[in-house]
Amino acid sequence: AQSVAQPEDQVNVAEGNPLTVKCTYSVSGNPYLFWYVQYPNRGLQFLLKYITGDNLVKGSYGFEAEFNKSQTSFHLKKPSALVSDSALYFCAVRRNFGNEKLTFGTGTRLTIIP
Amino acid sequence: DVKVTQSSRYLVKRTGEKVFLECVQDMDHENMFWYRQDPGLGLRLIYFSYDVKMKEKGDIPEGYSVSREKKERFSLILESASTNQTSMYLCASSLPGEGGRPQHFGDGTRLSIL
Repeated sequence: AQSVAQPEDQVNVAEGNPLTVKCTYSVSGNPYLFWYVQYPNRGLQFLLKYITGDNLVKGSYGFEAEFNKSQTSFHLKKPSALVSDSALYFCAVRRNFGNEKLTFGTGTRLTIIP
Repeated sequence: DVKVTQSSRYLVKRTGEKVFLECVQDMDHENMFWYRQDPGLGLRLIYFSYDVKMKEKGDIPEGYSVSREKKERFSLILESASTNQTSMYLCASSLPGEGGRPQHFGDGTRLSIL
């Protein structure tokens, strides 16, 4: 079985401050990890993924995420938040073998305060 | 860019009706997926398909069926709609294989069952 936990339903950050959106996971074997963003009335857009290698991965719109195997975490980060980063963020996990079924977290609503 | 098109953005149907949700992708992706999105529950996988005429159950297949007669089209069918199937439905597609190919999402169909 595989699962994802996003412990915060809502995160508020002042514009220009660093932001972190938390994600922990559980999966058999080594994980493939993903972050997606959803803007109002739209589908999900892919931000970044961890497959293997460097624990810090960089993605779209200046976002990055740090893979921590010992803590089974994959937190999303950005050094300086923009108002346009306000959206719903989803973390997802799958095994690195077998079927390609993704399991998503429940989502974190990020609000950047001007 | 990959384009995943869902035939309706909003749909209102009555209890007991047979409902068809259509999804088309234009990038020759082998994998296609149907999810439902509910507040506080994130995305849950209903069905997925690895190839034409192939389908596998996801986490919540009860009350749903799917059809994939052509590679580019994946249909979700609500055999006898019920009010608890009121939700946002998202279709996605991806390439298969190693490396954790990201899924590409349509903009969703917001379905209301009255």
